[in-house]
Amino acid sequence: ETGVTQTPRHLVMGMTNKKSLKCEQHLGHNAMYWYKQSAKKPLELMFVYNFKEQTENNSVPSRFSPECPNSSHLFLHLHTLQPEDSALYLCASSQVSRTSGGNEQYFGPGTRLTVT
Amino acid sequence: GESVGLHLPTLSVQEGDNSIINCAYSNSASDYFIWYKQESGKGPQFIIDIRSNMDKRQGQRVTVLLNKTVKHLSLQIAATQPGDSAVYFCAEKGWVGNKLVFGAGTILRVKS
Repeated sequence: ETGVTQTPRHLVMGMTNKKSLKCEQHLGHNAMYWYKQSAKKPLELMFVYNFKEQTENNSVPSRFSPECPNSSHLFLHLHTLQPEDSALYLCASSQVSRTSGGNEQYFGPGTRLTVT
Repeated sequence: GESVGLHLPTLSVQEGDNSIINCAYSNSASDYFIWYKQESGKGPQFIIDIRSNMDKRQGQRVTVLLNKTVKHLSLQIAATQPGDSAVYFCAEKGWVGNKLVFGAGTILRVKS
């Protein structure tokens, strides 16, 4: 619907597993984001990529590793997660320019992650 | 530091009535504000935005009001419908950069 797709939609993994979340945007945007949404908490920005370069790492633990191979794809590699990492992980994209401050971000449907 | 907070965690309105969802922000340097709607099982959906050089902006059935003096933002929904039931988030950022700071969210429940 929004032009941002995420797979898988649901993921259950053990603490010793390694998995990856995938995001793809079909909007021609040049910036992509990972957010974490936990119950009763505001959306937490995790990573920002502008023109495929990481420009923001919001003090995210190293067990979360992002990868942006091109401007349309974004991955979040997961390993050795903890139960408190269970949350909805949202991907977003936007068009950024030096002169335009307006920056509406378009979100995907999210991946519901459960760490057991 | 930056923070965006919502006054009411839950708002219940009768179908057909107008809804007002409020948001307070603390960063006086914020220059751009957005409202998002999130339905169950979906990601946040952009509703409307406003720059700090404006105090009002209207969309289809929605109006955003910005009061920079008291650092307050509101979303008005006219003739609220059952499909408007969702969680509503405000978000803010400076004009430069693309880091949005989100509020905690308000649940809007529409009673038929």
